[in-house]
Amino acid sequence: NAGVTQTPKFQVLKTGQSMTLQCAQDMNHEYMSWYRQDPGMGLRLIHYSVGAGITDQGEVPNGYNVSRSTTEDFPLRLLSAAPSQTSVYFCASSRLRDRGYTFGSGTRLTVV
Amino acid sequence: TQLLEQSPQFLSIQEGENLTVYCNSSSVFSSLQWYRQEPGEGPVLLVTVVTGGEVKKLKRLTFQFGDARKDSSLHITAAQPGDTGLYLCAGNTGGGNKLTFGTGTQLKVEL
Repeated sequence: NAGVTQTPKFQVLKTGQSMTLQCAQDMNHEYMSWYRQDPGMGLRLIHYSVGAGITDQGEVPNGYNVSRSTTEDFPLRLLSAAPSQTSVYFCASSRLRDRGYTFGSGTRLTVV
Repeated sequence: TQLLEQSPQFLSIQEGENLTVYCNSSSVFSSLQWYRQEPGEGPVLLVTVVTGGEVKKLKRLTFQFGDARKDSSLHITAAQPGDTGLYLCAGNTGGGNKLTFGTGTQLKVEL
């Protein structure tokens, strides 16, 4: 049972480049979400989804897009990377009636 | 604005000592969770509390949810080096799955 798988683990981008952070879960969880973690700021919600075809914005959505075409996958797209997007990104999933999250191991992104 | 404030921010203690970490808010939460995160990994769920005044124990860890459901505490008895990590509280303010995370408490337990 792989749980939540995130790829890549590390990425360096130049300002203005775009990229997609991948997230896949094999637990048939309806709810999936993306967080970014910055020192002293805790985890902040970027986007979330309650099921295939349904997405919504979190606390810090600007500069990011998401889509949910299948239950398993929830990719996060950076449209035009900025240094302020340097962070560690975590994908998490849960059942809709179960509030406990399962997190991936994260993607460490540096924008130069 | 950070809805959940954790204290202390950093804690360095010796093996065998007891400690308490606090998670406070002005908001009422329908449930509150505690996670532990180790370097290079994602947070791992320790416990969920849902009832005001609820106390849950997980081996040497005791979690309490405040009567008014606005605060919580984590108490560790006889800390061990394996308890070292970042402890995060997270609250749910509605009926859905969205969580607001606290800023975290970095715990280091030394031999």
